[in-house]
Amino acid sequence: GAVVSQHPSRVICKSGTSVKIECRSLDFQATTMFWYRQFPKQSLMLMATSNEGSKATYEQGVEKDKFLINHASLTLSTLTVTSAHPEDSSFYICSARGSLPGGEETQYFGPGTRLLVL
Amino acid sequence: AQKITQTQPGMFVQEKEAVTLDCTYDTSDQSYGLFWYKQPSSGEMIFLIYQGSYDEQNATEGRYSLNFQKARKSANLVISASQLGDSAMYFCAMREFYNTDKLIFGTGTRLQVFP
Repeated sequence: GAVVSQHPSRVICKSGTSVKIECRSLDFQATTMFWYRQFPKQSLMLMATSNEGSKATYEQGVEKDKFLINHASLTLSTLTVTSAHPEDSSFYICSARGSLPGGEETQYFGPGTRLLVL
Repeated sequence: AQKITQTQPGMFVQEKEAVTLDCTYDTSDQSYGLFWYKQPSSGEMIFLIYQGSYDEQNATEGRYSLNFQKARKSANLVISASQLGDSAMYFCAMREFYNTDKLIFGTGTRLQVFP
């Protein structure tokens, strides 16, 4: 249980194009999902918190017009990198809030998406 | 100030030996949760173990155990009987219950298991 998928796993695009990344909770419903960015050999940086049916909450310094987040259902959140540029190249990873057997909450992560903007 | 500190950028351990990965945290909240995740080279983040601040016993999950020392604000991960497949990045994270949504991650420790 608690499987999160992410698609695509790898994408290469030209500068100026937009890229959409999907994050799905496969066997549980997730009212809250999270989008992270990870640079090589660094930790995860939270970009935004995505709540089903409402606007995403962005972390300080993250451009909401650049990184569009839509959480249209309890199992799907999408991140669209608009007008991508080479500096947007990174590893993007999503997570979904779920429950542990003891009732506590944790985040279950997707496998990540490697974006390369040429 | 760093909320989660992992002081070991890299660790080596021989197969079948035990290894401890350090994690200290900083919070004024009384209620919080501590997590360890494993990130292999493939990139996925795998949840390993959880410790609640009010849990009196150290958490254990198979070969993973969490050495929780509340007074010292440390939550070290102990991996027993290391396997080659344990080679990966390991991240310690904290969730403060007043801010239930966010996980705060440390900088990670790269563990290399050698035969």
